[in-house]
Amino acid sequence: GAVVSQHPSRVICKSGTSVKIECRSLDFQATTMFWYRQFPKQSLMLMATSNEGSKATYEQGVEKDKFLINHASLTLSTLTVTSAHPEDSSFYICSATPMGGGAQYFGPGTRLTVL
Amino acid sequence: GENVEQHPSTLSVQEGDSAVIKCTYSDSASNYFPWYKQELGKRPQLIIDIRSNVGEKKDQRIAVTLNKTAKHFSLHITETQPEDSAVYFCAASSGNTPLVFGKGTRLSVIA
Repeated sequence: GAVVSQHPSRVICKSGTSVKIECRSLDFQATTMFWYRQFPKQSLMLMATSNEGSKATYEQGVEKDKFLINHASLTLSTLTVTSAHPEDSSFYICSATPMGGGAQYFGPGTRLTVL
Repeated sequence: GENVEQHPSTLSVQEGDSAVIKCTYSDSASNYFPWYKQELGKRPQLIIDIRSNVGEKKDQRIAVTLNKTAKHFSLHITETQPEDSAVYFCAASSGNTPLVFGKGTRLSVIA
């Protein structure tokens, strides 16, 4: 149980384009999902907390207009990187917590490369 | 907010020896402390967790200890094997708040 999927696993795009990443909890409902970014050889940095049916909460320094988050249902959250630039190239990972709290389970991650 | 410190940043052990990774946290309200193992290019995998009402938890070769008074918790891996080589992250949270991660420990088990 507690499986989280993420799509796509890898994306390469040109500078200035937008990229949408989907995060799904496959066998549980999650009122809260989290989006992280991980640069090479570094820890996971929380970008935002996504709550179903309400606006996401962004961490300090994360531009909400650049990283659009939509939590449309109890099993789906999306992150859209708008007008991507090379410095946005990173490993983006989502996680979800089952309703009632407890452990966070991570998706497999999306490696974004912006040329 | 919460701040989690993790040590050491790198750790090399001989196969069969034990490995210990230590973390400290700052927020006394934190009550959930998971440990994740991340292999290169893959997602972090939860390997063990502990809650503040428990002092120690063990799962085969892996154990975690928690000292709430001192605000530190540790991961112990016994009889290490080459497949234990990975980056290990500790984390802390309270209730439904986001996990705050340590900076990670790169463990190398030398055969």
